[in-house]
Amino acid sequence: GESVGLHLPTLSVQEGDNSIINCAYSNSASDYFIWYKQESGKGPQFIIDIRSNMDKRQGQRVTVLLNKTVKHLSLQIAATQPGDSAVYLCAEWARYGGATNKLIFGTGTLLAVQP
Amino acid sequence: KAGVTQTPRYLIKTRGQQVTLSCSPISGHRSVSWYQQTPGQGLQFLFEYFSETQRNKGNFPGRFSGRQFSNSRSEMNVSTLELGDSALYLCASSLDGAGGLGYTFGSGTRLTVV
Repeated sequence: GESVGLHLPTLSVQEGDNSIINCAYSNSASDYFIWYKQESGKGPQFIIDIRSNMDKRQGQRVTVLLNKTVKHLSLQIAATQPGDSAVYLCAEWARYGGATNKLIFGTGTLLAVQP
Repeated sequence: KAGVTQTPRYLIKTRGQQVTLSCSPISGHRSVSWYQQTPGQGLQFLFEYFSETQRNKGNFPGRFSGRQFSNSRSEMNVSTLELGDSALYLCASSLDGAGGLGYTFGSGTRLTVV
């Protein structure tokens, strides 16, 4: 089915290091992208979003970069903490005309933070 | 405020049976979307309901159906269960169906088909 792809299924980092999670998307017409964090036993939680008219957006300890030329999205987490351990999902907001919209998700990257 | 509530949290069913899952959205939210999450396929969109009408549908067979009530609560039904239907089923609610910060997921229902 439709999906947004990820380069790395598992990423292991040391506490305090910076983490970079990558994602490739296929629909060049998509204009809105979102990163979610999913902890075990929970649903995805919104982290940060970016619109296609931007290249970069920063939040608290997180930065999202968008490269429309190569259809690539990345999430950078600064000073990674054990509490950041989770599955990270990128999602593309696909519009199909009118009010019909849906999120297309990548398969996810498991971030494991080693103390 | 209360979040999105999905019941039950866990279900075990036998092949051929049917199942109904429930989702209570955040108060005031009129849109409810359903997703299936499996290790192999990731999160896949099932359908979206807005003001009791199905507004969008993913690429799933007709065994998967849903409905929404006047209070915005939604149910999804899977008939003639197959082993491959084992998954985490998530719903998300929002005011108008738009994604982003206001698009809130529940914790899901874990369905196991044996």
